[in-house]
Amino acid sequence: QKEVEQNSGPLSVPEGAIASLNCTYSDRGSQSFFWYRQYSGKSPELIMFIYSNGDKEDGRFTAQLNKASQYVSLLIRDSQPSDSATYLCAVNMGAGKSTFGDGTTLTVKP
Amino acid sequence: GAGVSQSPRYKVAKRGQDVALRCDPISGHVSLFWYQQALGQGPEFLTYFQNEAQLDKSGLPSDRFFAERPEGSVSTLKIQRTQQEDSAVYLCASSPGPGPSIGYTFGSGTRLTVV
Repeated sequence: QKEVEQNSGPLSVPEGAIASLNCTYSDRGSQSFFWYRQYSGKSPELIMFIYSNGDKEDGRFTAQLNKASQYVSLLIRDSQPSDSATYLCAVNMGAGKSTFGDGTTLTVKP
Repeated sequence: GAGVSQSPRYKVAKRGQDVALRCDPISGHVSLFWYQQALGQGPEFLTYFQNEAQLDKSGLPSDRFFAERPEGSVSTLKIQRTQQEDSAVYLCASSPGPGPSIGYTFGSGTRLTVV
């Protein structure tokens, strides 16, 4: 079992819909959680980070964290074709390395 | 610099050849990370520097892999006697404080192909 699990997808949503991306992690000591977006052939870019249980909103993006369930999610509202990419979840113990999932591929259809 | 710069962008190496990959992080960033990404997978951790100190090298797959950051800025990842399984994208990332704190800024990566 990988330390960080994501549904590989592909996840397909129509333009304007809400896309929901999910991630579970195995280490209860994990302290910080990150979502990165990676376009095909490009390097990952940070979208959001979250440390505390609950929701964190930034524009069309909302990260949700539930440490008791070891679950973190990313919601994308009003999805646009330009949101089509692979979304990587990353988890960190506090210092040092982050551990990444294999990503969920999202396709937003016009 | 304004971003994380990696060179070369692409590298083709014959099996058994040594290669050196360079990373120039964002100026002032304390932490520097190297990751390896195979096609269709997430980045896999290789090694981590805080300034010039290599604090974690647990992800280096073999003793053929070596990384350094002698002056706490530019870093080099060296792979000796390359093998086909070393073919991947090598990503460098930096962050302003210890660890990933507010997340990484990644470079564009070096795509290594071993033939």
